[in-house]
Amino acid sequence: DVKVTQSSRYLVKRTGEKVFLECVQDMDHENMFWYRQDPGLGLRLIYFSYDVKMKEKGDIPEGYSVSREKKERFSLILESASTNQTSMYLCASEGQGSSGNTIYFGEGSWLTVV
Amino acid sequence: RKEVEQDPGPFNVPEGATVAFNCTYSNSASQSFFWYRQDCRKEPKLLMSVYSSGNEDGRFTAQLNRASQYISLLIRDSKLSDSATYLCVVNRAGGSYIPTFGRGTSLIVHP
Repeated sequence: DVKVTQSSRYLVKRTGEKVFLECVQDMDHENMFWYRQDPGLGLRLIYFSYDVKMKEKGDIPEGYSVSREKKERFSLILESASTNQTSMYLCASEGQGSSGNTIYFGEGSWLTVV
Repeated sequence: RKEVEQDPGPFNVPEGATVAFNCTYSNSASQSFFWYRQDCRKEPKLLMSVYSSGNEDGRFTAQLNRASQYISLLIRDSKLSDSATYLCVVNRAGGSYIPTFGRGTSLIVHP
């Protein structure tokens, strides 16, 4: 089974802190994504990456950056956390499954910024 | 118009009922379509892909209508355990695969 691991499940950070959210996948997938999910707004794409050291902005990249130094690891960085970044963050990896291209999600990271 | 639109519901149905959800998409060049299921405070998980000819998996049937740009999910003989949010996913056409999610349709199956 594909495994996407988000090591930090629940975090509480102060406004202005730098926050790192780590994501690791074990299926050698090239494509990885970071979403945030908020009530009534669904999943919104923050950043994605198709290869090591490659990154592309999604729909809401402001206030975020990413790092992809190794194929299996895709990190989301909040340079200076703000209260409007309180959300659930979902990392996803995309590759071939039995149903064609399939997206696999990590369990999510619940971030509260106070 | 949003790229992917779904009726948020909730759809409140009794056990054993048949229920159907639709999802419309705006980009006629979109190529791949999926339904995901998400339980409360959990990550989304693949329910089924949607093929051009339609496809069935047990009690679940998915269909694609390219002319009208919508996909549908039919659930027969609803179970209590089917209660969840169902997310429509469409790849964003233009070369690379960028999955775009609808906001989800909430289903509540009651005894």
